[in-house]
Amino acid sequence: DQQVKQNSPSLSVQEGRISILNCDYTNSMFDYFLWYKKYPAEGPTFLISISSIKDKNEDGRFTVFLNKSAKHLSLHIVPSQPGDSAVYFCAAGVTGRRALTFGSGTRLQVQP
Amino acid sequence: DGGITQSPKYLFRKEGQNVTLSCEQNLNHDAMYWYRQDPGQGLRLIYYSQIVNDFQKGDIAEGYSVSREKKESFPLTVTSAQKNPTAFYLCASSSGGQETQYFGPGTRLLVL
Repeated sequence: DQQVKQNSPSLSVQEGRISILNCDYTNSMFDYFLWYKKYPAEGPTFLISISSIKDKNEDGRFTVFLNKSAKHLSLHIVPSQPGDSAVYFCAAGVTGRRALTFGSGTRLQVQP
Repeated sequence: DGGITQSPKYLFRKEGQNVTLSCEQNLNHDAMYWYRQDPGQGLRLIYYSQIVNDFQKGDIAEGYSVSREKKESFPLTVTSAQKNPTAFYLCASSSGGQETQYFGPGTRLLVL
């Protein structure tokens, strides 16, 4: 039973345009969400997070939106750069439980 | 320089052999985690430890064992009972509230 789903295995966008990566979850207990970026043969790097008490969090070019009623979150990257090309993982957690549940990832390719 | 280190970067296992993957952190984090990543898939939790001398099974603990004798160290042993050990293994740590997990660079395990 996949509690965190990233239904798009890959996404290709032009440099300078917006990249939108999506994530859906089923467990209503999740109260915080994170996005990680991963290059091949490296560990994931934390990008941005959001608590369930918010619906938006912004950090530079990265913005995460949370729609609790739809159990959906998205990561917007504006403007997209070639260096953003990587696999992006969505993760969800329950405060106090510590272990995160990860989605299967979306491979983003930003074309120069 | 604070961070998480994993060694070795590559590890080869022979049939019937136990191998141990090292994970060390100097972030003073209480919790540590082991994940496995298979090609095209997300991260699956093997084991996690919230404090020294305590650990819990994750989703795919069969064929693995861990110890947590020191706060800084959380080694993972891949036993001969793990029939499909070839994967990329990631160690992470976290501390406090809604917890961002920080990852090491990973160890790739291959079977000879």
